[in-house]
Amino acid sequence: GAGVSQSPRYKVAKRGQDVALRCDPISGHVSLFWYQQALGQGPEFLTYFQNEAQLDKSGLPSDRFFAERPEGSVSTLKIQRTQQEDSAVYLCASSFQAGGSQSEQFFGPGTRLTVL
Amino acid sequence: AQSVTQLDSQVPVFEEAPVELRCNYSSSVSVYLFWYVQYPNQGLQLLLKYLSGSTLVESINGFEAEFNKSQTSFHLRKPSVHISDTAEYFCAVSHGSSNTGKLIFGQGTTLQVKP
Repeated sequence: GAGVSQSPRYKVAKRGQDVALRCDPISGHVSLFWYQQALGQGPEFLTYFQNEAQLDKSGLPSDRFFAERPEGSVSTLKIQRTQQEDSAVYLCASSFQAGGSQSEQFFGPGTRLTVL
Repeated sequence: AQSVTQLDSQVPVFEEAPVELRCNYSSSVSVYLFWYVQYPNQGLQLLLKYLSGSTLVESINGFEAEFNKSQTSFHLRKPSVHISDTAEYFCAVSHGSSNTGKLIFGQGTTLQVKP
């Protein structure tokens, strides 16, 4: 079966442009996470969805970051007016269970965003 | 706040030698502990996890980790590494009572296995 997929795999944006990053989780997975991984660092939590509900957005670094999952499956992370500090790999992960800390998270390959 | 520290950014080792990748965490509450591996040009994959019970957990490819509550550590070990173990390894924790299960990651350790 297919794993978590993300598109595009690479994105180059000029400073000030808006970008949209897509995540297709594993079918039937209730939970969906977004993480940001800067060069040479571990992933950092951005936001969490349980089905279509965004239950935790405490990790979003600014109001330029917005995420949605309108039908409880595909999710989009949007970054408005991109800045150079937004350059990073954006990882999406999904898990079968709703919430809880024991369920394994399955990660996508990530989208590498470079802001010039 | 919870944090995870991986004490070594790079660990070079010769093939068939033993290796230990260190991980310490800070938390005043119960946690679940994970090791993820990232092979070149691939996504993160779960290597092993500690949820409860036996403090020694093993993976299918020979890695093991031991939860040490008194030292707040979860070091990863393998008695004999292979070239194919070359990868980035991340230690992660989640809050035991979290209603989201979000992971807090360490900075990562690059394991470089040399022939």
